[in-house]
Amino acid sequence: DVKVTQSSRYLVKRTGEKVFLECVQDMDHENMFWYRQDPGLGLRLIYFSYDVKMKEKGDIPEGYSVSREKKERFSLILESASTNQTSMYLCASSLGLGDPLETQYFGPGTRLLVL
Amino acid sequence: AQSVTQLGSHVSVSEGALVLLRCNYSSSVPPYLFWYVQYPNQGLQLLLKYTSAATLVKGINGFEAEFKKSETSFHLTKPSAHMSDAAEYFCAVSDLDTGRRALTFGSGTRLQVQP
Repeated sequence: DVKVTQSSRYLVKRTGEKVFLECVQDMDHENMFWYRQDPGLGLRLIYFSYDVKMKEKGDIPEGYSVSREKKERFSLILESASTNQTSMYLCASSLGLGDPLETQYFGPGTRLLVL
Repeated sequence: AQSVTQLGSHVSVSEGALVLLRCNYSSSVPPYLFWYVQYPNQGLQLLLKYTSAATLVKGINGFEAEFKKSETSFHLTKPSAHMSDAAEYFCAVSDLDTGRRALTFGSGTRLQVQP
């Protein structure tokens, strides 16, 4: 079974803090994704990566950056947390063979509260 | 970019009743469509996906979805709801035309099952 783990289930941070959200997958997947989930808005793509050190902006990259130094790990960074970044953050991975029907496997999510 | 619309942010059914969750996509080209489910305090998991091999797709837990090109729809159904089906359901489409290998999700439908 594919396992995607996220470093924290719940996180409380203060405005202006630098925040790191970590995601690790154990199935040697090429693609990794960060989504943000908000009520009534579904999931929105922040960034994705299709290879080590490669990254692409998604729909809402402002205020975020990412790092992928190793294939299994994809980090989301909030450079200076703001209250409007309070949300649920979901990491996902997929095999990466270029098949549009590839299943994405999701982690359990990190619920971030910025005060 | 493609998009999906889910009608009804909340659906409530009685146990044993038919479940119908609606999804419409915007595209002139048959897209690659998915349904994901999110149980409370968990990440998303794949329910089923449309592969163009058949218009009626069967998924896990007794769910199925029918692809109707004339209606640009991919509605999710289950003949008899169970209490354990209470969850949030997301329709998603693969972003083939942008080549970004990500999914675009609908806003989600929360299913309540009443005893």
